[in-house]
Amino acid sequence: QPVLTQSPSASASLGSSVKLTCTLSSRYYNHIIGWHQQQPGKAPRYLMKLEGSGRYDRVSGVPDRFSGSSSGADRYLTISNLQFEDEAHYYCETWDSGTRVFGGGTELTVL
Amino acid sequence: EVQLLESGGGLIQPGGSLRLSCTASGYLFRTLAMSWVRQVPGKGLEWVSGISLSGRETDYADSVKGRFTISRDNFKNTLYLQMNSLRGEDTAIYYCARVGIAAPIDYWGQGTLVTVSS
Repeated sequence: QPVLTQSPSASASLGSSVKLTCTLSSRYYNHIIGWHQQQPGKAPRYLMKLEGSGRYDRVSGVPDRFSGSSSGADRYLTISNLQFEDEAHYYCETWDSGTRVFGGGTELTVL
Repeated sequence: EVQLLESGGGLIQPGGSLRLSCTASGYLFRTLAMSWVRQVPGKGLEWVSGISLSGRETDYADSVKGRFTISRDNFKNTLYLQMNSLRGEDTAIYYCARVGIAAPIDYWGQGTLVTVSS
């Protein structure tokens, strides 16, 4: 089954941009992933679907400050004009047959 | 508006059983697959189990295979997770999640806490 690798933490200043990375194991380099946000004390929230081509579908209601891109097995979530409410854990997710897999998550701190 | 509401969590002794329920509303429940995902407080997300829209196909994480059973009642718009032989490491918040068609999880419930302890 696929493995998703994320850096444990990231930080950036208020108003700046940050790019979070999720890396697929090589056999699954072209897989579609989902990005999810989990703010402190809350349930996860689905943000977008991201394809290997770099095409992404952002959920209605998610600010357009959130965008996705891809390069090979890497999937990116870029957040521009960072706000304090963006401080959260971000998880990537993919699937193979009936099994789903999550990355370990990246904790984003807004300075 | 899509809503997923879990229930059935609580404190249970090791070796005990518990059944979680998730009632869905705001969409045609029978048209989409579902999953259970858990999270140990302070840790990451772990997929537990998934079920097809009909209920005929089911899948499980190795950590729960043989102990947990997922099922659904499309007439009651409800997803279930029967958990047997519970262990301390099953202590977690359990989330019900809707799965898009050939797509990621696209809706999450608020979660129900299961605590396995004597």
